[in-house]
Amino acid sequence: EAGVVQSPRYKIIEKKQPVAFWCNPISGHNTLYWYLQNLGQGPELLIRYENEEAVDDSQLPKDRFSAERLKGVDSTLKIQPAELGDSAVYLCASSLQGDSYEQYFGPGTRLTVT
Amino acid sequence: RKEVEQDPGPFNVPEGATVAFNCTYSNSASQSFFWYRQDCRKEPKLLMSVYSSGNEDGRFTAQLNRASQYISLLIRDSKLSDSATYLCVVNMGPGGGNKLTFGTGTQLKVEL
Repeated sequence: EAGVVQSPRYKIIEKKQPVAFWCNPISGHNTLYWYLQNLGQGPELLIRYENEEAVDDSQLPKDRFSAERLKGVDSTLKIQPAELGDSAVYLCASSLQGDSYEQYFGPGTRLTVT
Repeated sequence: RKEVEQDPGPFNVPEGATVAFNCTYSNSASQSFFWYRQDCRKEPKLLMSVYSSGNEDGRFTAQLNRASQYISLLIRDSKLSDSATYLCVVNMGPGGGNKLTFGTGTQLKVEL
């Protein structure tokens, strides 16, 4: 069974440029998460989707970050414009339903903003 | 106070040693608890769930103390391959939007 797929794996951009990350969850998983992980820290939730609905986006910096999950499958996370402090690993995860179920993580996108 | 706190380590132990990690959480209404393992530059993977009665999976034992609001992970007979960061994860319950909150992780290095 294929796991969570993310692309790109690495991205280097200059500050003020836009960037987008893509995630394809495990087939049949209704819940999709985007996390941000800084070095030496645990993942921090940015947004959680139940199917196509964003049910928790309280930690998403909405002035520059946006996300969508059209048709309740794939998802994209966008940053525009990127800032130096956005350099981190962006992880996508999926689960069957809700947070009490095991979350499966993708390999992440390592973003470097110069 | 952080919602989930862990000693970041690193814990450097010889192969074959027993090592224990503790984690404390702040929300007494937290519902469920997990230990995830994260290898260097890899994604986190579920190691085990933590049940109220305690549970064991091979060399790994997880325990929950709700009264003191802490969770522990015990690794017996450490292997070199156990070297990783161990993340304590708590479902904050309805009051926290039922979201998972990760600790900062405890780094384990098993040496020859």
